[in-house]
Amino acid sequence: GQSLEQPSEVTAVEGAIVQINCTYQTSGFYGLSWYQQHDGGAPTFLSYNALDGLEETGRFSSFLSRSDSYGYLLLQELQMKDSASYFCAWRENRDDKIIFGKGTRLHILP
Amino acid sequence: KAGVTQTPRYLIKTRGQQVTLSCSPISGHRSVSWYQQTPGQGLQFLFEYFSETQRNKGNFPGRFSGRQFSNSRSEMNVSTLELGDSALYLCASSLRLDSPLHFGNGTRLTVT
Repeated sequence: GQSLEQPSEVTAVEGAIVQINCTYQTSGFYGLSWYQQHDGGAPTFLSYNALDGLEETGRFSSFLSRSDSYGYLLLQELQMKDSASYFCAWRENRDDKIIFGKGTRLHILP
Repeated sequence: KAGVTQTPRYLIKTRGQQVTLSCSPISGHRSVSWYQQTPGQGLQFLFEYFSETQRNKGNFPGRFSGRQFSNSRSEMNVSTLELGDSALYLCASSLRLDSPLHFGNGTRLTVT
């Protein structure tokens, strides 16, 4: 079967670093994406990894290891506004549908 | 450039009724996809359209249907509503099938 697993909740302190993991079990792999969704808001695109390694976009970075079927989103210098749900998403091939994980709720403590 | 627009924002229907939701993609985007979001279940894929053709379909009953028009606007229809259909329905558009998704704010459907 095809599935994406990510923790349901993560708690971190303002100013710290947090890592949100995503593991997948799929028959094919086209790329791993990350989306952020604030309460009551729409999901917004954060990052995309097609190849192994680290992609950096400001305070956010995303990592992929295809051999380990594993990726993570790294958030640095956490701010209260980063409190949101984070979803990893995967596509088996270019023309296939996107599958989303169930999301990780990030709680940030002052 | 205007974002993805979904109408209406809120809907209350009773069991057995049907509902039509509308989505206007970002100008120039030809791919539109629909998702159902419920607490604890994340985003469940419903359908994906590209240039008026349904490219992919999720594991939802036949009561859920959709279409895309020549101007890329899309509609989804749910017939014979059930209580379990209460959810946030999100539409997303992208430039190409493999481009990042741009989501609308969703339609909150409540079935009573």
